[in-house]
Amino acid sequence: AQSVTQPDIHITVSEGASLELRCNYSYGATPYLFWYVQSPGQGLQLLLKYFSGDTLVQGIKGFEAEFKRSQSSFNLRKPSVHWSDAAEYFCAVGAKDSSYKLIFGSGTRLLVRP
Amino acid sequence: GAVVSQHPSWVICKSGTSVKIECRSLDFQATTMFWYRQFPKQSLMLMATSNEGSKATYEQGVEKDKFLINHASLTLSTLTVTSAHPEDSSFYICSARSPGLYEQYFGPGTRLTVT
Repeated sequence: AQSVTQPDIHITVSEGASLELRCNYSYGATPYLFWYVQSPGQGLQLLLKYFSGDTLVQGIKGFEAEFKRSQSSFNLRKPSVHWSDAAEYFCAVGAKDSSYKLIFGSGTRLLVRP
Repeated sequence: GAVVSQHPSWVICKSGTSVKIECRSLDFQATTMFWYRQFPKQSLMLMATSNEGSKATYEQGVEKDKFLINHASLTLSTLTVTSAHPEDSSFYICSARSPGLYEQYFGPGTRLTVT
């Protein structure tokens, strides 16, 4: 069965520091991979996605993620965190079938110290 | 582009009544819409998938008679929680997918409180 694991429930970083949020997936083949961010009062916003090709993908707001097949991982990174990045981050796996369903990880809450 | 709205954003209803939540894609036509439920500090759980003009497909364990989904047009899907009970209190989120694209665009969610 497909599953997504985000091992870190909370992460706290200082503003200006680098960030890495972990995501591991379980799937029979290489799935479609997504990172979404959820801020209070706002819907989930797509940060970036991986379908195929270059394993390092760039997203919005200065985020990037690297797909590592050998580790079944798709970690999200940002070189310098801003206070406005404080939010809940979700990794998701998409099935490569006509259902277009997404399976979400449990989320990681990012706190940013001033 | 790719804006999805939900209405209402917050609703309180009495136990035993029904409440309808609307999900609209504002600037694109949505072939498929999805309904999720999110408990506090938890992830999103897919409840059902709806395709325009077809019956919704419910995930295992979701009561289709309690959570009625209608996708009557390419820009509107509705979720009706029938005979609501306090345990139905939750955050309900919809998303929409446009033809030819895989990614889903999410609405801001509806907080339902059943008293």
